[in-house]
Amino acid sequence: ILNVEQSPQSLHVQEGDSTNFTCSFPSSNFYALHWYRWETAKSPEALFVMTLNGDEKKKGRISATLNTKEGYSYLYIKGSQPEDSATYLCAFMRDTGRRALTFGSGTRLQVQP
Amino acid sequence: GAGVSQSPRYKVAKRGQDVALRCDPISGHVSLFWYQQALGQGPEFLTYFQNEAQLDKSGLPSDRFFAERPEGSVSTLKIQRTQQEDSAVYLCASSHREGLTDTQYFGPGTRLTVL
Repeated sequence: ILNVEQSPQSLHVQEGDSTNFTCSFPSSNFYALHWYRWETAKSPEALFVMTLNGDEKKKGRISATLNTKEGYSYLYIKGSQPEDSATYLCAFMRDTGRRALTFGSGTRLQVQP
Repeated sequence: GAGVSQSPRYKVAKRGQDVALRCDPISGHVSLFWYQQALGQGPEFLTYFQNEAQLDKSGLPSDRFFAERPEGSVSTLKIQRTQQEDSAVYLCASSHREGLTDTQYFGPGTRLTVL
């Protein structure tokens, strides 16, 4: 059984605050780590696909880091805006050749104006 | 361009009814995935197609669940004799190729409620 854990479960911040979330995954048999943003009533939106230990990726005010040796990834949002309010999901892929993603339960972010 | 679409967006079924959920992937995408998301949890993998071939169905929870993609484009997930525990959001995703690190693009999901 693969355990992908995300923390915190939910987060309330004020507009302009910077914030970060954690995704923990098994450090063995790692192949890739995906981050998604899912706004209510919309489709999950792909943010990053990360494969290499030490990888850092950035998209606007959002960035992510990856540590495959210890099994965690951080997602950072700089200067949160109300439109950043969403559930952020991470998903782990093992190196078994299967294409199934194993998702965490997500971090629900609410940004108050 | 058009993204992944799913229909219906909402479905209410009485226990014991059969339901069919449709997924239209992005045109030209080789890979297609179905996931099930129960309330308060992350999506869980159900099945994977490469073109019309169903290469992985290890996540289907019972033989009441059946998926097909006969022409390698549109896919249908069928649930026979629905039970209350089948209530969930069913997500479809597609990716351009069959590579392991290809981004999976998701549809908005079908919310199934079984009464």
